[in-house]
Amino acid sequence: AQKITQTQPGMFVQEKEAVTLDCTYDTSDQSYGLFWYKQPSSGEMIFLIYQGSYDEQNATEGRYSLNFQKARKSANLVISASQLGDSAMYFCAMRSDTNAGKSTFGDGTTLTVKP
Amino acid sequence: NAGVTQTPKFQVLKTGQSMTLQCAQDMNHEYMSWYRQDPGMGLRLIHYSVGAGITDQGEVPNGYNVSRSTTEDFPLRLLSAAPSQTSVYFCASSYSFISPNEQFFGPGTRLTVL
Repeated sequence: AQKITQTQPGMFVQEKEAVTLDCTYDTSDQSYGLFWYKQPSSGEMIFLIYQGSYDEQNATEGRYSLNFQKARKSANLVISASQLGDSAMYFCAMRSDTNAGKSTFGDGTTLTVKP
Repeated sequence: NAGVTQTPKFQVLKTGQSMTLQCAQDMNHEYMSWYRQDPGMGLRLIHYSVGAGITDQGEVPNGYNVSRSTTEDFPLRLLSAAPSQTSVYFCASSYSFISPNEQFFGPGTRLTVL
């Protein structure tokens, strides 16, 4: 069984500063993918970044980077130079490559960016 | 491309009524899934499909049925609505083998059961 844990229900960050959103996961699979999605107050789900379990380098997408520590089973999202538009709920998710039709999501972290 | 579309956007049901939430995608994705999101919570998987004719249960399947007769469509049926099924329902689709195979989500259906 897969499990995603996001321990920070809410986070605050000052505009233009960096913030790290925590995600730990549990799986017995060797090959899997880790994803981060953003959900603004409007409700849509937006894909941000992906990390494969065999990727040796941490994923980066613009201001988003994923701090992947496989031995610790953590996949933290780092947002650099926060903007007011980053205020949203952020979800960490994973899917096993052996059953890729099935994804597991965490409970999310609500990020508020202060001006 | 329209992406993933869901209808209706809003629905109010009475306890015991049945209904079907529609989901369609035009990206030729193999995988499709239904999730529910309760207030302040994450997404919980209801049912998923890895291709036409193939469906499987997720984390919270009770009270819901699905079928996948075509690649494009993946309807979710509520058999006998209960207040506990009040939630926002998201449909999602993705490729199977094209990395990173992230999910594309529909806009959601907000369902209230009285």
